[in-house]
Amino acid sequence: AQRVTQPEKLLSVFKGAPVELKCNYSYSGSPELFWYVQYSRQRLQLLLRHISRESIKGFTADLNKGETSFHLKKPFAQEEDSAMYYCALAGGGADGLTFGKGTHLIIQP
Amino acid sequence: DVKVTQSSRYLVKRTGEKVFLECVQDMDHENMFWYRQDPGLGLRLIYFSYDVKMKEKGDIPEGYSVSREKKERFSLILESASTNQTSMYLCASSSPQIAGANTGELFFGEGSRLTVL
Repeated sequence: AQRVTQPEKLLSVFKGAPVELKCNYSYSGSPELFWYVQYSRQRLQLLLRHISRESIKGFTADLNKGETSFHLKKPFAQEEDSAMYYCALAGGGADGLTFGKGTHLIIQP
Repeated sequence: DVKVTQSSRYLVKRTGEKVFLECVQDMDHENMFWYRQDPGLGLRLIYFSYDVKMKEKGDIPEGYSVSREKKERFSLILESASTNQTSMYLCASSSPQIAGANTGELFFGEGSRLTVL
């Protein structure tokens, strides 16, 4: 069975500090990993996906198959980064994404 | 832009009532999904559909059913609402490059917050 683990329910950092949101997964095949973000009063939306290997809003995430991790990082946090972040995994079928329980990121001024 | 529209943002129902949650997408997506979102539990898949009149159970289908009579519309039905179904319900759609293949990116609606008294 596939599983996504986000160990931190809440992460609070100061503006300008580095941010790392942890995500570990369990899947027997070759997964596709995503980070989704939900800002206050907005719909859940895609932030980035590992196959794109791009930086979005200063965030990056590298898939580490050896450690089965897909941590989300940003070198300098901004107040507008405060949101709920979900790591998600897609297996090989059409049956949607498996989501982690989410990490609430708070950026303090 | 892909638009996924959920008909009701807020609903309050009584225990035992039948509840319909409607979702419409305007981008001709094959796949549609219903999740519920609860604090500390994340998103859990209730049902999904990869074609008209097709439906598959997700991780927590008990107490729910779905209907997909048209490609753009996916309805979630609570036959007899219970208090433990109080939640935020999210509809999503996607279009895999190959039918039946990896789901790819999901596009979400704004959610329907259901309270069952």
